Amino acid sequence: GQQLNQSPQSMFIQEGEDVSMNCTSSSIFNTWLWYKQEPGEGPVLLIALYKAGELTSNGRLTAQFGITRKDSFLNISASIPSDVGIYFCAVPGSSNTGKLIFGQGTTLQVKP
Amino acid sequence: KAGVTQTPRYLIKTRGQQVTLSCSPISGHRSVSWYQQTPGQGLQFLFEYFSETQRNKGNFPGRFSGRQFSNSRSEMNVSTLELGDSALYLCASRPRLVYTADTQYFGPGTRLTVL
Repeated sequence: GQQLNQSPQSMFIQEGEDVSMNCTSSSIFNTWLWYKQEPGEGPVLLIALYKAGELTSNGRLTAQFGITRKDSFLNISASIPSDVGIYFCAVPGSSNTGKLIFGQGTTLQVKP
Repeated sequence: KAGVTQTPRYLIKTRGQQVTLSCSPISGHRSVSWYQQTPGQGLQFLFEYFSETQRNKGNFPGRFSGRQFSNSRSEMNVSTLELGDSALYLCASRPRLVYTADTQYFGPGTRLTVL
């Protein structure tokens, strides 16, 4: 079936450092999404990308939709302790459906 | 505006039992999707309901079922529980059948433990 390969699996960084994570697929997708999940909560949408090559920012977060439509990147600049959580990439499984295919997630820990 | 609510938040059951989880979508949202989250398999789509009809189904055995009521609230049921069913069950709601990422919201989940 369709799979997203997300890396790295986990990161332990110092406060103030920049973070990069990425997601790849063997299939082409027209939408790439990035979610964050904190303990005891459901995933929250951070950034949605709809166009190949698109670069979108949300505060200190920047995500890019790969030109091949098979990958996406998320960068977090100047990390802070509240950035801790699990970050997921996701793509819609098909049109007109709420089915999302998720990557395995990147667990981020930030040391103050 | 209240978010997606799920009840109960935590549940402990034993193998062979059955369980029913509930999801109340955001007011005005008519579509509800369910996901299972485990450390090994990650987040996996279970099924989706819109206007009381199942629209899409993931690759799960028939022990997993769901329904949606006329007020858009949804329930999912797992019969004959197995140890591997221990997971966080998440539901997500959105207002329309047509999918747009920024209108779909997740609830906090129900943590099911099967002993």
